[in-house]
Amino acid sequence: DTEVTQTPKHLVMGMTNKKSLKCEQHMGHRAMYWYKQKAKKPPELMFVYSYEKLSINESVPSRFSPECPNSSLLNLHLHALQPEDSALYLCASSQHPGGSGTGELFFGEGSRLTVL
Amino acid sequence: LAKTTQPISMDSYEGQEVNITCSHNNIATNDYITWYQQFPSQGPRFIIQGYKTKVTNEVASLFIPADRKSSTLSLPRVSLSDTAVYYCLVDSGTASKLTFGTGTRLQVTL
Repeated sequence: DTEVTQTPKHLVMGMTNKKSLKCEQHMGHRAMYWYKQKAKKPPELMFVYSYEKLSINESVPSRFSPECPNSSLLNLHLHALQPEDSALYLCASSQHPGGSGTGELFFGEGSRLTVL
Repeated sequence: LAKTTQPISMDSYEGQEVNITCSHNNIATNDYITWYQQFPSQGPRFIIQGYKTKVTNEVASLFIPADRKSSTLSLPRVSLSDTAVYYCLVDSGTASKLTFGTGTRLQVTL
């Protein structure tokens, strides 16, 4: 199994809603990532979890709250978002977060978020 | 943090070889160079990774000169399905530094 599965594929929410994005991998990877991608722009790194601990938060607003319940699962909790937060949210995993090159990042298909 | 520079776009005809060059002047001794392909509304997909000289796999080759300040992704005999955005990343082995550059939009036509 070499897949990263993201749900839901599409999400529409109002600015007062609370919702969550889910990401799952069963490759035994110990690093998991959240990226945000706007149209025609490269993915931007948001958060990194290494061995289920948050190791990197790239100055992301607190309305985005990541969670890593176990080594296979990564969530992104969303609350009080703004229309400009509408984007494709990508989850990725890699075998380990450090060493001689991080190696291959495995990406999910993404969750397309629209904030009204 | 090694910043990367790539051409914004390239055009090619089907069947031709395409070479996309990435500049990374500030690459550090332990950094690797990695290339990803991305189709619209999909996550990026790993193509190839290298440290120096030449690396080849079933889909591409990666050429890295001795000074490692640039790298070239070579796609042999492209097809229409190779139309995508190609990203070059410098991988320092630190998860926080996996930053994508602007990418190169490759358009392949008949």
